[in-house]
Amino acid sequence: EPEVTQTPSHQVTQMGQEVILRCVPISNHLYFYWYRQILGQKVEFLVSFYNNEISEKSEIFDDQFSVERPDGSNFTLKIRSTKLEDSAMYFCASRETGLAGEGEQYFGPGTRLTVT
Amino acid sequence: DAKTTQPTSMDCAEGRAANLPCNHSTISGNEYVYWYRQIHSQGPQYIIHGLKNNETNEMASLIITEDRKSSTLILPHATLRDTAVYYCIVRVDKAGNMLTFGGGTRLMVKP
Repeated sequence: EPEVTQTPSHQVTQMGQEVILRCVPISNHLYFYWYRQILGQKVEFLVSFYNNEISEKSEIFDDQFSVERPDGSNFTLKIRSTKLEDSAMYFCASRETGLAGEGEQYFGPGTRLTVT
Repeated sequence: DAKTTQPTSMDCAEGRAANLPCNHSTISGNEYVYWYRQIHSQGPQYIIHGLKNNETNEMASLIITEDRKSSTLILPHATLRDTAVYYCIVRVDKAGNMLTFGGGTRLMVKP
């Protein structure tokens, strides 16, 4: 069964450093998403992406965040200058179509980001 | 998106049906009911969704009341691996739309 994959599974970085989290969505999916979950808290939406541009973003997704689909398979989330509060589990998701009622999003296993 | 209310936690005996309720009294006509679950710290997993009619797939059944103000997710024969947090999400299904996760129901399946 096709699945969303994410690398690395765990990333440790120092405050102020740049990190890139990578995702490979399901191959025929067209819509891509990033969410995060701080330990013990709810899953929070960050950004959605379609046709090489951002569709929607949350207040969390400020100027230090960016997303890119550098080739036909990868979808990346870049955090320019990490802060301690960016420590969280980051989930990538993808969705096949934009048709109403067919909107299930499939999530990857997540990347645990630890900022020290 | 309409607000949902779910019990914080529930227990279920292994092999029995788990019935997880969700109230969404302010749901509007074009909003779908989606159910996801999250096992430990894994990525959320899609379970099922519906608009008006009851739905069934290999994982679960979704019963939506006639007035659409509440729904129940049914896991017909719960196993220990079904222990997870279950999220009921009500949303207009536009492609770019986010999923808004609340606190969900923590289901504990016990032997």
